Amino acid sequence: SQQGEEDPQALSIQEGENATMNCSYKTSINNLQWYRQNSGRGLVHLILIRSNEREKHSGRLRVTLDTSKKSSSLLITASRAADTASYFCAQNYGGSQGNLIFGKGTKLSVKP
Amino acid sequence: DARVTQTPRHKVTEMGQEVTMRCQPILGHNTVFWYRQTMMQGLELLAYFRNRAPLDDSGMPKDRFSAEMPDATLATLKIQPSEPRDSAVYFCASGLDPGQGPLSSYNSPLHFGNGTRLTVT
Repeated sequence: SQQGEEDPQALSIQEGENATMNCSYKTSINNLQWYRQNSGRGLVHLILIRSNEREKHSGRLRVTLDTSKKSSSLLITASRAADTASYFCAQNYGGSQGNLIFGKGTKLSVKP
Repeated sequence: DARVTQTPRHKVTEMGQEVTMRCQPILGHNTVFWYRQTMMQGLELLAYFRNRAPLDDSGMPKDRFSAEMPDATLATLKIQPSEPRDSAVYFCASGLDPGQGPLSSYNSPLHFGNGTRLTVT
């Protein structure tokens, strides 16, 4: 299976702290995407990083990509209770949207 | 605010019954995906359409599952007959695939609906 893995599976932090989630994958990718899922809802796209990029920022989100290690990390700075959700990385392996493989996610809990 | 709409949100049915799930993709999107989410397997791709044509349904059990796009505003996923192991949340997602080149589809995000939670007893 090409499915990547997120680490940790669950993370509990206090409001204001930073949250770091990691994602590893198995073969070469075109891009890697991070999604967020609130309980009972669909996934929401957060950020996409291409294989030739190393770092990308969006508001309080920072994503890094290390293609030599086949890994990516998502950093949420100054976390808020509203950031409580599951976060998924998804790897795109080919020249089509259909080649998008999701990991099993990291469940983040931010305590007020 | 454009969104993908899925109906029903919840469905409880008995084993052996037919289940139909519907999805209205975002207007103007030309790709539609069906995913199944369970605790054990995570998100699994069941079927993928581009311009209403099925491109990949290799993740779908063919004997009982079928996916169609009768028109550009409606995608359906049908299970007949349903089994308890089909219990899961089924998500539809849509996207825009402009084709090859610098704006290739693989650099476009997917937009998900809120899912249909299916329980088969």
